[in-house]
Amino acid sequence: DAGVIQSPRHEVTEMGQEVTLRCKPISGHDYLFWYRQTMMRGLELLIYFNNNVPIDDSGMPEDRFSAKMPNASFSTLKIQPSEPRDSAVYFCASSLGRVGNQPQHFGDGTRLSIL
Amino acid sequence: DQQVKQNSPSLSVQEGRISILNCDYTNSMFDYFLWYKKYPAEGPTFLISISSIKDKNEDGRFTVFLNKSAKHLSLHIVPSQPGDSAVYFCAAAARVNDYKLSFGAGTTVTVRA
Repeated sequence: DAGVIQSPRHEVTEMGQEVTLRCKPISGHDYLFWYRQTMMRGLELLIYFNNNVPIDDSGMPEDRFSAKMPNASFSTLKIQPSEPRDSAVYFCASSLGRVGNQPQHFGDGTRLSIL
Repeated sequence: DQQVKQNSPSLSVQEGRISILNCDYTNSMFDYFLWYKKYPAEGPTFLISISSIKDKNEDGRFTVFLNKSAKHLSLHIVPSQPGDSAVYFCAAAARVNDYKLSFGAGTTVTVRA
């Protein structure tokens, strides 16, 4: 079974550039989550979707961050313009139903470095 | 504010012995708890979970204990194996908050041969 697939695995770019992170959830999963992991704040939820609809984006740090899910098999997280403090590992996760009976499955993450 | 706390950043244990990882939480609305395991350069992998109606859940070598009155849970790994060397994250969720996960900072476990 294919798990959650994220691309790219690594991204290095200069401050001010637009960054787009991509995620393909597990087929059939109806929830998709974007997380960010940093040394200071650990793993924090940025936004999540249910059936392609954004449900809660309260974790998105600033308006520079946006996320979309145009269909059930694809989501993007965009940062425009990027800043050095955005450097982190970004994880995408998906689940079938809420965590009450179905845990989230994570991708291997995108390590983002903003110079 | 950190609602889920793993106060031990690291743990070293000898192969074959028991590993005990601890986790404390502050939000009394949490009613579902999970442990994830993470290897370097990989995403977290679900390990075991427990709902607040139980105080123990077991899956092979892994057992999670929940003490609601103390707002404390622990993960026991018996016996510990070299492949268990990883970072372990405790996570909690509340039905009233749509089961959004709050993660602890993680505990790095090293199993010595």
